[in-house]
Amino acid sequence: DSGVTQTPKHLITATGQRVTLRCSPRSGDLSVYWYQQSLDQGLQFLIQYYNGEERAKGNILERFSAQQFPDLHSELNLSSLELGDSALYFCASSAHRAETQYFGPGTRLLVL
Amino acid sequence: GENVEQHPSTLSVQEGDSAVIKCTYSDSASNYFPWYKQELGKGPQLIIDIRSNVGEKKDQRIAVTLNKTAKHFSLHITETQPEDSAVYFCAASNGNNRLAFGKGNQVVVIP
Repeated sequence: DSGVTQTPKHLITATGQRVTLRCSPRSGDLSVYWYQQSLDQGLQFLIQYYNGEERAKGNILERFSAQQFPDLHSELNLSSLELGDSALYFCASSAHRAETQYFGPGTRLLVL
Repeated sequence: GENVEQHPSTLSVQEGDSAVIKCTYSDSASNYFPWYKQELGKGPQLIIDIRSNVGEKKDQRIAVTLNKTAKHFSLHITETQPEDSAVYFCAASNGNNRLAFGKGNQVVVIP
């Protein structure tokens, strides 16, 4: 158990809908990262937050957004969902100035 | 950006034998190289990592070697056991905390 928690574990929704994925980092970790894992693209970095502020952006679509709250949990919002958004979404966290990232169990999103 | 490649994509080994997975990276500024193990239905689990100021690191049956000149690093698993069966991912970072992952290797340990 990495100490990173994610909810929900599974999510099934329809095209055009909006969903919110939630992540709680390890105790004391200030950085949160979001990754998307699909069969064809592998693990892709989406976005990083550090202590409530956006720190880095990867290949995140404009339909996707994230935020980190004062209690350091983070949410990833996916809107106008398309079939191709079906994937595993992982959250990871790291301590201040640390490179080592610890991953949560992921949320499996299925868009029908 | 950084491009990380892994070979082979699938590796089958007899229990007790060694497994070696090799990764290459493109960005010479990369200085941090972690390896993750992912079992079915679970998130990636960090198993070992190495920084560019070190050529080799070992933790029990697992070791990682780094060749900065050739821009490749390898994961070595000795005395493989059935529970080592999983997908292994290598990654690289140039200090910006953004991990670039390889596509993963499926390792199958045959009892």
